[in-house]
Amino acid sequence: EPEVTQTPSHQVTQMGQEVILRCVPISNHLYFYWYRQILGQKVEFLVSFYNNEISEKSEIFDDQFSVERPDGSNFTLKIRSTKLEDSAMYFCASSVSGGGNQPQHFGDGTRLSIL
Amino acid sequence: GEDVEQSLFLSVREGDSSVINCTYTDSSSTYLYWYKQEPGAGLQLLTYIFSNMDMKQDQRLTVLLNKKDKHLSLRIADTQTGDSAIYFCAETPTDSWGKLQFGAGTQVVVTP
Repeated sequence: EPEVTQTPSHQVTQMGQEVILRCVPISNHLYFYWYRQILGQKVEFLVSFYNNEISEKSEIFDDQFSVERPDGSNFTLKIRSTKLEDSAMYFCASSVSGGGNQPQHFGDGTRLSIL
Repeated sequence: GEDVEQSLFLSVREGDSSVINCTYTDSSSTYLYWYKQEPGAGLQLLTYIFSNMDMKQDQRLTVLLNKKDKHLSLRIADTQTGDSAIYFCAETPTDSWGKLQFGAGTQVVVTP
């Protein structure tokens, strides 16, 4: 069964450094998402992306965050200047379409640790 | 406001049925989902239900939706040790198709 893949599985970065988290969505999916889960807290929506532009973003997704689809297969999340509070598990997801009847499929996540 | 609430922990004996409960507040939600997360893994979609349905069955899984009370439940029949995981309830509001709102997750522990 096709799946969403995320790399790396664990990223350790110094505070203030830039980090790029990578995702390969399922190949025929057109809608892409990032979520994060801070340890012990709920999974939170960050951003949705379709047709090479952001469809919706949450309050968390400030100017320090950006997303990109640099080629036909990858979808990336960049954090420009990381803070300690960015430490979390980051999940990428994709779906065939934007309707709820085409549910989102998630990757295994990247654990980001900021030192 | 939008919020999804779940009980945090459930212990069940192997072979018994598990029932995981969820309440949501956004009455305009269209779809409601159950995801499973095993240790070190991502969120695996288990099943989902459209808000105009009352029930959906898929093998050992039964989803019940009480729209009046905004209550969703997931029943797992004949619970196995492999069902030990965290189960997340999630909704998509009608005004925000791509934004899943998750509950905090219910840790299910299956004992022999």
